[in-house]
Amino acid sequence: DTAVSQTPKYLVTQMGNDKSIKCEQNLGHDTMYWYKQDSKKFLKIMFSYNNKELIINETVPNRFSPKSPDKAHLNLHINSLELGDSAVYFCASSQDLRGYTFGSGTRLTVV
Amino acid sequence: QKEVEQDPGPLSVPEGAIVSLNCTYSNSAFQYFMWYRQYSRKGPELLMYTYSSGNKEDGRFTAQVDKSSKYISLFIRDSQPSDSATYLCAMSRTGANNLFFGTGTRLTVIP
Repeated sequence: DTAVSQTPKYLVTQMGNDKSIKCEQNLGHDTMYWYKQDSKKFLKIMFSYNNKELIINETVPNRFSPKSPDKAHLNLHINSLELGDSAVYFCASSQDLRGYTFGSGTRLTVV
Repeated sequence: QKEVEQDPGPLSVPEGAIVSLNCTYSNSAFQYFMWYRQYSRKGPELLMYTYSSGNKEDGRFTAQVDKSSKYISLFIRDSQPSDSATYLCAMSRTGANNLFFGTGTRLTVIP
């Protein structure tokens, strides 16, 4: 029943590792997003995909690579993790600005 | 300077108080204004959505937008302990589908 689900909820990993976060939405939305929320609760967009096509790619290190196999899925792969990557990563989907739905977040801790 | 500024608080009020939360912004192209509520360890959920200037009321919540001052507000009447959360303002412009968020204000309503 969950509209936007992301896995895992928690991720603790060592510096230098590579990790992936998965996201799926069952709302039929055309657009999916990755947002990053830092320790001060500031939410900032990282990527946006519309119907599997990348439409927003903010100033994000190229260690971060999104992949959208279909319009219901948007995964985030992170290479060579750094301490500063520790944050909560939110997946979201929308059909328009009013219908934004966020997942419950993946809390990434790099040690 | 961030495009959207929001006092991070924290803000503590007694139950039944009227709460006023505010954001200012710098981009005059913003036309869509939203308030999100985020409970601890959860994703943001849409609370109020407003287009352009004016007021909108929904139950105990009132959103106000003053585009001439680049200032938006959320009022919560008869605040309840269940209103304790972080409140994030967000906005966007015509033709865009990504949101620009404030840093969030953490609110605690004391019974």
